[in-house]
Amino acid sequence: AQKVTQAQTEISVVEKEDVTLDCVYETRDTTYYLFWYKQPPSGELVFLIRRNSFDEQNEISGRYSWNFQKSTSSFNFTITASQVVDSAVYFCALSEVISNFGNEKLTFGTGTRLTIIP
Amino acid sequence: GAGVSQSPRYKVAKRGQDVALRCDPISGHVSLFWYQQALGQGPEFLTYFQNEAQLDKSGLPSDRFFAERPEGSVSTLKIQRTQQEDSAVYLCASSLIPSAQGYYEQYFGPGTRLTVT
Repeated sequence: AQKVTQAQTEISVVEKEDVTLDCVYETRDTTYYLFWYKQPPSGELVFLIRRNSFDEQNEISGRYSWNFQKSTSSFNFTITASQVVDSAVYFCALSEVISNFGNEKLTFGTGTRLTIIP
Repeated sequence: GAGVSQSPRYKVAKRGQDVALRCDPISGHVSLFWYQQALGQGPEFLTYFQNEAQLDKSGLPSDRFFAERPEGSVSTLKIQRTQQEDSAVYLCASSLIPSAQGYYEQYFGPGTRLTVT
C-alpha cells in the first residue's frame, strides 16, 4: 500500500531563515509521481511541484527547492529566506495509477504546519 | 478562468440528516476526484470519475456515501444518515486526461466544511 510520512507536525522559524520540510514515501510502483501542495488558511490546496520517479534531478523555483532521493524514498522541500506569506500547511503526496488512461489518485501525508514568525 | 467551485462552503447537519455537496469542475476537465480531509489530517481519496463513469470508489467509507456525475460535468457527493465522524472538509479536484507523458495536475476546489452535530 502507498504511504506518505511527514514526521514534522509543526515547524516555526523566524522570517528570512531557511526551512526544510521532510517527506518519506512507500510504494511498490516502479513509476509514480510525487507532489507538494500548499494549503493556506483559506483551505484551497495549491499545487507546487510534481516529480516523476525517473527524474532524480533536484529542482529550484525561486525560493523553493526540492531534493528527491530515490535511495532513501525521500522528497524534501526547502524554502530559503522564508517570508510570512509562506505560513501554511504543506502536504507531500504520492500518486497511484487507477485507470488505463493513467489518471491517478493521490495519497497525502498528514501535513506540516509551517509558521513564519515576523 | 474559473477554477473548481464547490457549494455550499459550509454545511451544518444534525446527526441522521442527509446532505448533498456539489462540485463544479473546470470546464473541459474529464477527470473528477473527491477527497475527505478530517481536521489536522491530509486529504484522503474517496472516489474518481472519468466523464460520467465512476471508475474508482474504493475510498468511500461506507454505503451511506454516494457520488454521481450524470452528465460528466457537475458532481454531487451525497451522505445519507450523517454521523459525527462524517465531519470533515470535502474537497473536489478536477484534471484533464493526462498527456502521453502521463502528466496531469489536479486542481482543487475550496472545499465544503461539513459539521455534524
